Amino acid sequence: GAGVSQSPRYKVAKRGQDVALRCDPISGHVSLFWYQQALGQGPEFLTYFQNEAQLDKSGLPSDRFFAERPEGSVSTLKIQRTQQEDSAVYLCASSQGDSNYGYTFGSGTRLTVV
Amino acid sequence: GENVEQHPSTLSVQEGDSAVIKCTYSDSASNYFPWYKQELGKRPQLIIDIRSNVGEKKDQRIAVTLNKTAKHFSLHITETQPEDSAVYFCAAFTSGTYKYIFGTGTRLKVLA
Repeated sequence: GAGVSQSPRYKVAKRGQDVALRCDPISGHVSLFWYQQALGQGPEFLTYFQNEAQLDKSGLPSDRFFAERPEGSVSTLKIQRTQQEDSAVYLCASSQGDSNYGYTFGSGTRLTVV
Repeated sequence: GENVEQHPSTLSVQEGDSAVIKCTYSDSASNYFPWYKQELGKRPQLIIDIRSNVGEKKDQRIAVTLNKTAKHFSLHITETQPEDSAVYFCAAFTSGTYKYIFGTGTRLKVLA
């Protein structure tokens, strides 16, 4: 596609509910990243994929967070047993090749846990 | 761990004036420094970037300068316009790692 597409744009979850956030990167982009952006803050790294391989998951805040990219294109970020502190915008980005220069971000999914 | 400090957190300028946003990074091995503009509710968009082998880069009204010795870099916007109003984020990247370290953002308001 022309850009990085994320869905849903908005998600309201009850505390304890599981959620799944989807990212469609730019076609052919090897690298895919997930970031978490709390209100009024800069994006913070969660995890990185090169094709289907998850090369870094050091930013995932707890074992309730899980990401996958099984075929090296679409990625899903799953959050189990959501808590209020998970409320944030979840941004996906992709880049061509493995150079990691010049990410293109998606519009994000705004998750609100109530 | 690595961090990036960004100042100021808010900046108001009159239309036509210049705006300067400064960032300091901690990892001396950082070698790539992008700047993103984020309008309310929208995605961060890359507006300019600089690699560590140059000291300055300019693109029309926007320029970025890098001082590797002092580990700081700055965004300069000249002849500001109301549509420049947004939150601006700096970031630092180190080859061999996978992540950008972002600053906390600067909310720029250009007053007409």
